[in-house]
Amino acid sequence: ETGVTQTPRHLVMGMTNKKSLKCEQHLGHNAMYWYKQSAKKPLELMFVYNFKEQTENNSVPSRFSPECPNSSHLFLHLHTLQPEDSALYLCASSPSDRGLNSPLHFGNGTRLTVT
Amino acid sequence: KQEVTQIPAALSVPEGENLVLNCSFTDSAIYNLQWFRQDPGKGLTSLLLIQSSQREQTSGRLNASLDKSSGRSTLYIAASQPGDSATYLCAVQGGGFKTIFGAGTRLFVKA
Repeated sequence: ETGVTQTPRHLVMGMTNKKSLKCEQHLGHNAMYWYKQSAKKPLELMFVYNFKEQTENNSVPSRFSPECPNSSHLFLHLHTLQPEDSALYLCASSPSDRGLNSPLHFGNGTRLTVT
Repeated sequence: KQEVTQIPAALSVPEGENLVLNCSFTDSAIYNLQWFRQDPGKGLTSLLLIQSSQREQTSGRLNASLDKSSGRSTLYIAASQPGDSATYLCAVQGGGFKTIFGAGTRLFVKA
């Protein structure tokens, strides 16, 4: 039980499919994040939302579309993905006062395979 | 641009050994540094967070130090156990909500 729940745990999709990843946090945090973890590479920050407003878009291709309807839920909508988008997608949350003592809390991730 | 480097990339030790993992960062203007553990196919579990004004933090057999001026942090694991086998990641937080991660150290503790 991590306090941050991601669904589905595994997803296989074709390049023409449309799917969505879901993240829910039960920690009362107001900032939520999407990270991408590819093999042999450091975690890459994709998007940040603070109080439902997007504060960071790290030059992510438009085939990834985030949505944050409230501070507890975060989605990542996927369409026309490429095989190189196959990775572990991690959601995290933190208190919005992201200062000296506000650690990130991660979910278990969604393992995405694009065929 | 902040860059975080972790050395070594992989480490194999016998059970019971004390060990040190290293993390270095290029921009000393950080708010905090966080150490995580990641088991295969899982998310990240926070181990320790050191604020920029602090020198070290301890939790059980783990001790993390921070030397902000030199851009270095170490994670010391005492009396290692097979259950400590995992990938250990360090991450630094600078301005805004950007947290930059190192590539990790993959640790294997042999029984």
